[in-house]
Amino acid sequence: AQTVTQSQPEMSVQEAETVTLSCTYDTSESDYYLFWYKQPPSRQMILVIRQEAYKQQNATENRFSVNFQKAAKSFSLKISDSQLGDAAMYFCAYSGRGMLTFGGGTRLMVKP
Amino acid sequence: GAVVSQHPSWVICKSGTSVKIECRSLDFQATTMFWYRQFPKQSLMLMATSNEGSKATYEQGVEKDKFLINHASLTLSTLTVTSAHPEDSSFYICSARGASGEKIYEQYFGPGTRLTVT
Repeated sequence: AQTVTQSQPEMSVQEAETVTLSCTYDTSESDYYLFWYKQPPSRQMILVIRQEAYKQQNATENRFSVNFQKAAKSFSLKISDSQLGDAAMYFCAYSGRGMLTFGGGTRLMVKP
Repeated sequence: GAVVSQHPSWVICKSGTSVKIECRSLDFQATTMFWYRQFPKQSLMLMATSNEGSKATYEQGVEKDKFLINHASLTLSTLTVTSAHPEDSSFYICSARGASGEKIYEQYFGPGTRLTVT
């Protein structure tokens, strides 16, 4: 079975600074996707970024980027120029053909 | 595209009654939908996988007779909490899986339903 671990229950960042959220996973599959979801106080799950395992290039979406280390099974999220609206729960998720396995989440606080 | 709605967004019911939550894919057909439960400050816990036209697959520890799931069409899945008790109070989230190609790796989430049982 796949497992996803987020070792940082809480993180804090100063507005406009950069923060990195960690995620590791365990799998024996070769084809899979990895995701970072944001869950703000509204509790709507919002897709932040996705990474296809077969792609070596790290995914980037505006201020959000990932560091995907396939051999190490590591998938960290970097948020640049942090904004107050980035404050939320962030979940790392693994997908093997559509079944999502979530990490425990990291609560990100942004200080003005 | 890939919008999923849930109704109601918030429901309060009395202990012993049943409540139905609807999950709809608005602009795509979803052969597979998922139901999650989330406790405060915790991650999402998969309750069951719902396939159109067939019986749902429940995760270990989830009571099939308490949480009835029906996926009667390609755009609608329902979760009925039967004989609700206060411990069933929680946030319930549905999602729909992409239909084909690489989209099957993704899930599109509804906004969730907050259930309070008094």
